[in-house]
Amino acid sequence: GAVVSQHPSRVICKSGTSVKIECRSLDFQATTMFWYRQFPKQSLMLMATSNEGSKATYEQGVEKDKFLINHASLTLSTLTVTSAHPEDSSFYICSANPAADTQYFGPGTRLTVL
Amino acid sequence: GQQLNQSPQSMFIQEGEDVSMNCTSSSIFNTWLWYKQDPGEGPVLLIALYKAGELTSNGRLTAQFGITRKDSFLNISASIPSDVGIYFCAGQRVTGGGATNKLIFGTGTLLAVQP
Repeated sequence: GAVVSQHPSRVICKSGTSVKIECRSLDFQATTMFWYRQFPKQSLMLMATSNEGSKATYEQGVEKDKFLINHASLTLSTLTVTSAHPEDSSFYICSANPAADTQYFGPGTRLTVL
Repeated sequence: GQQLNQSPQSMFIQEGEDVSMNCTSSSIFNTWLWYKQDPGEGPVLLIALYKAGELTSNGRLTAQFGITRKDSFLNISASIPSDVGIYFCAGQRVTGGGATNKLIFGTGTLLAVQP
């Protein structure tokens, strides 16, 4: 299957700081990537759709000014959590697709905000 | 956000037993996908279903796309300890034109296999 990577795998930061998470498609180009958030013992919830060369589309209830998404190339999307707070602590997962109807997921990034 | 209803919520079985889980929705999907997630990792695609009524196998796994397009099931035969994990279904509505459409995930089924 297609390979999607994320960096970093884990990050711990102080409240009020910003954290950037990278999502890369390693062996294919992706015009669209997706960002999900998963709280403990819960399912994946879509946060936003990242579109190469244009603005991201955010799901209802997700603050676009807090979760900045940049999709500058066909293999890289970044999610920046700005002014992070403890309630932002979660498992952030991206996905990308080599074809329109199949998504492959990255290994996830565990964010802990102290 | 919207989620699909997945059952059972959890299963505790003996090695060698067969497992069945299903996913239902109040609306129609064009594609059903089944993923497995290990702790601290991203979901891994197991099976993708693209046509109503389709029955697809991947080793010991078999999944079917319901005729109504509102449900799907996943069976695991002769379970082994490494089958342990959380299984998610996901539905996708494909609008065509090569666009990538977002997934709606099920609530998940936790599978524990005792050797």
